[in-house]
Amino acid sequence: ETGVTQTPRHLVMGMTNKKSLKCEQHLGHNAMYWYKQSAKKPLELMFVYNFKEQTENNSVPSRFSPECPNSSHLFLHLHTLQPEDSALYLCASSQVSSGRAGELFFGEGSRLTVL
Amino acid sequence: GDSVTQMEGPVTLSEEAFLTINCTYTATGYPSLFWYVQYPGEGLQLLLKATKADDKGSNKGFEATYRKETTSFHLEKGSVQVSDSAVYFCALSVTSGGYNKLIFGAGTRLAVHP
Repeated sequence: ETGVTQTPRHLVMGMTNKKSLKCEQHLGHNAMYWYKQSAKKPLELMFVYNFKEQTENNSVPSRFSPECPNSSHLFLHLHTLQPEDSALYLCASSQVSSGRAGELFFGEGSRLTVL
Repeated sequence: GDSVTQMEGPVTLSEEAFLTINCTYTATGYPSLFWYVQYPGEGLQLLLKATKADDKGSNKGFEATYRKETTSFHLEKGSVQVSDSAVYFCALSVTSGGYNKLIFGAGTRLAVHP
């Protein structure tokens, strides 16, 4: 148990569906991240929220839409996805300016399959 | 730009064998360096870290030394166990826009057989 919970763990959706991934952290951290993990590719940073403000959008297509209503919750809204978007989506959190730079706590991931 | 290169896997070892997974990095400034591990069906967990040159990070029998002269952070363990089977990621941390940005290598899968 890392203190970061992701739901759902598995999701299958068609290209015309709209779904959302949810992440919740119970660690009191002030930064949250979405990473994409595809087979045989390095982890790709998608979005970063620092104190609820989006500070990075790593050239992610607009069919992925993040939302961070508070410092404990992070969502990734999905619509009109493509089969190549099938991947493991990992949420992480960290405490910025704590002297523990780079220590991210990851959830177990949401395995997304786009048909 | 900043990047991390680690040896391709899979690495297959017998139990109690010596493990080395190579990692080199390119970065401006002086990044912190990390090894993360991902066990099957789980997210990534921090294994060890080093924040400055010549620092040695260690945890669970694993060690890695921050070598600035060779820009390397190789992971080693003297005697691996079956339970060490996982994917290992080398990463560097840069501070950008007030948050910590981790740049990962591609990962190295380790399989340990009895």
